[in-house]
Amino acid sequence: DTEVTQTPKHLVMGMTNKKSLKCEQHMGHRAMYWYKQKAKKPPELMFVYSYEKLSINESVPSRFSPECPNSSLLNLHLHALQPEDSALYLCASSQAMTASYEQYFGPGTRLTVT
Amino acid sequence: ELKVEQNPLFLSMQEGKNYTIYCNYSTTSDRLYWYRQDPGKSLESLFVLLSNGAVKQEGRLMASLDTKARLSTLHITAAVHDLSATYFCAVDSRSGGSNYKLTFGKGTLLTVNP
Repeated sequence: DTEVTQTPKHLVMGMTNKKSLKCEQHMGHRAMYWYKQKAKKPPELMFVYSYEKLSINESVPSRFSPECPNSSLLNLHLHALQPEDSALYLCASSQAMTASYEQYFGPGTRLTVT
Repeated sequence: ELKVEQNPLFLSMQEGKNYTIYCNYSTTSDRLYWYRQDPGKSLESLFVLLSNGAVKQEGRLMASLDTKARLSTLHITAAVHDLSATYFCAVDSRSGGSNYKLTFGKGTLLTVNP
C-alpha cells in the first residue's frame, strides 16, 4: 500500500474559524511533510516531521500549527487564517529524511479562506 | 542553495508533434523526479531518475538524466490531448546537514491542441 490519505478534500473557512487538516499513511514511513501550493506555482515546503519530531519549519506563520500524534498521522491546525492562505495543501511521506527516499503525495486538501 | 530551472514554462503543441522540456539544476543531486499535475489535483509521479545516463520511458513520455551537465529532459513523442497538464521536475538533495529536501522547478504548462 503506497497510499497517503488526506481529509477533508475541500474546506471553506472564515478568518475567525479553527479547523484541522489530517494526513495518514500506513507505509511505515518516518518522515512526513506539509506543502502549500498556490495556483500555477510549484509546491512550497512548510513543515517536515522526522520520527514524530518537527525537523523543519520553513518560517511558516504561527496561524499554521502542525502536529504529529504518532508515526502514521500528521495534522495541520489552522487558526485565524487570511484569504491569501487559500491554496492546495499537500501532505507527503517518505521512508526517512536523512537519505534520498521518494516522497509519496496525498490527494491534497483544497482550502478556501473567506 | 539549490536552484532548479525548467523551460519552457508554457508550451502549446499540436497533436502528433514532438517536443522536449528541460530541467537544469545547480548542485549535486541524488535523485530527480518528474511529476504530472492536472488542474486541482495532486502530483502524480511519472519518473524517478537515479544515475547518470538514466533513461525511462512510459507511453509517449521519455525522461533522461545527465548528472554531469546537471540536466534532465522530458521528451514528448506524438503528443495527444490527454497529455495536457502541468509538468514539474524536482530535485532531491541534501540540505542543511543530513536532511534531504525536494526542490521543484516552476513547472511547464503543456497544452496539446487538436
